[in-house]
Amino acid sequence: TAGITQAPTSQILAAGRSMTLRCTQDMRHNAMYWYRQDLGLGLRLIHYSNTAGTTGKGEVPDGYSVSRANTDDFPLTLASAVPSQTSVYFCASSSSSAGELFFGEGSRLTVL
Amino acid sequence: GQNIDQPTEMTATEGAIVQINCTYQTSGFNGLFWYQQHAGEAPTFLSYNVLDGLEEKGRFSSFLSRSKGYSYLLLKELQMKDSASYLCAVRDSNYQLIWGAGTKLIIKP
Repeated sequence: TAGITQAPTSQILAAGRSMTLRCTQDMRHNAMYWYRQDLGLGLRLIHYSNTAGTTGKGEVPDGYSVSRANTDDFPLTLASAVPSQTSVYFCASSSSSAGELFFGEGSRLTVL
Repeated sequence: GQNIDQPTEMTATEGAIVQINCTYQTSGFNGLFWYQQHAGEAPTFLSYNVLDGLEEKGRFSSFLSRSKGYSYLLLKELQMKDSASYLCAVRDSNYQLIWGAGTKLIIKP
């Protein structure tokens, strides 16, 4: 069972460049989330989607955008990367807004 | 503001018992989660509490007191593979998850 697949696993990016982190799930979950994880901090929500066609802003949305054209895919785009966006990014999904989260393996992004 | 507090790091001995505490102040409460995260890996679900009391699942148990804003994760018969970070998260009144920074558990032989 694939669950949630993220790509790329890691990436080094020059500041000012754009980047899209891909996330695909095969569990037919309605809700999907993007988090960033930084040392010493809890997971911080960037954007979320409760169902296909809808998205919402989380705790730290600035500099990021998302789309949810269908149930399975939830890409995260950095339009113009900055060094403070260096982090590990996790995509997650849940069957509902009240359910447990299932996480992808993470994408480690370094912005130089 | 909303806040989740848990110890940064704990050390325990293989075969022993360890209790990881979590206190929270959130706007509303719709359940508390514990996740395990091995270094370099994704968090994985361990337990969920929404009512007061103890939930037991094999070697792991989780306790909740909503009136005290407190939970703990109890790990028994510790094994080396239990070395990981343990994340406490609370779902608030808007059904958003608020995460603690995690407790790094080191198991020594």
